[in-house]
Amino acid sequence: GAVVSQHPSWVICKSGTSVKIECRSLDFQATTMFWYRQFPKQSLMLMATSNEGSKATYEQGVEKDKFLINHASLTLSTLTVTSAHPEDSSFYICSAPGEPREETQYFGPGTRLLVL
Amino acid sequence: KQEVTQIPAALSVPEGENLVLNCSFTDSAIYNLQWFRQDPGKGLTSLLLIQSSQREQTSGRLNASLDKSSGRSTLYIAASQPGDSATYLCAVRNYGQNFVFGPGTRLSVLP
Repeated sequence: GAVVSQHPSWVICKSGTSVKIECRSLDFQATTMFWYRQFPKQSLMLMATSNEGSKATYEQGVEKDKFLINHASLTLSTLTVTSAHPEDSSFYICSAPGEPREETQYFGPGTRLLVL
Repeated sequence: KQEVTQIPAALSVPEGENLVLNCSFTDSAIYNLQWFRQDPGKGLTSLLLIQSSQREQTSGRLNASLDKSSGRSTLYIAASQPGDSATYLCAVRNYGQNFVFGPGTRLSVLP
């Protein structure tokens, strides 16, 4: 199946700094990618849909100025957590749809963010 | 708004047992339903995808069923193994919408 990678796999930062997370589709092109957040022992919550060549679509309650998304190419989407605070500490996962006929999504391994 | 629940929240069984994980959803007009596995601190691995027109899908020791009218899906795991220990997530997709995930069932298979 298709492979989606994320970098970094984990990051620790001080409160107030910005953190960039990359999501790459390694062997296929993705015009759309999805960003999820997962708090401990909770399920995945969709944050936003990243669209190549246009603005991201954010879910209700997600601050677009805090979580900046850039879909720079057909294989790369980045999520930047600006002025991170401890409450932003979470597990961030991206995904990309497979071929239309596959009807599925491929998920990255996730990035664990800890804001001190 | 679609809501997905999973029962039980956690399950611990001895190796070799057959088990059933349950998923319920409130809006039956779904496009498809997918079961995922998540190991601690890891991403998601797709297990089975059931289209709205299908009743079940099978892969090895896994069998997933879908009953749209009652808003339910079950994941059956036969002859469980310690390597099956993980969190199992059910995700439902409505037409024109993205996945809505359930809270997951944490499975522990004891050797």
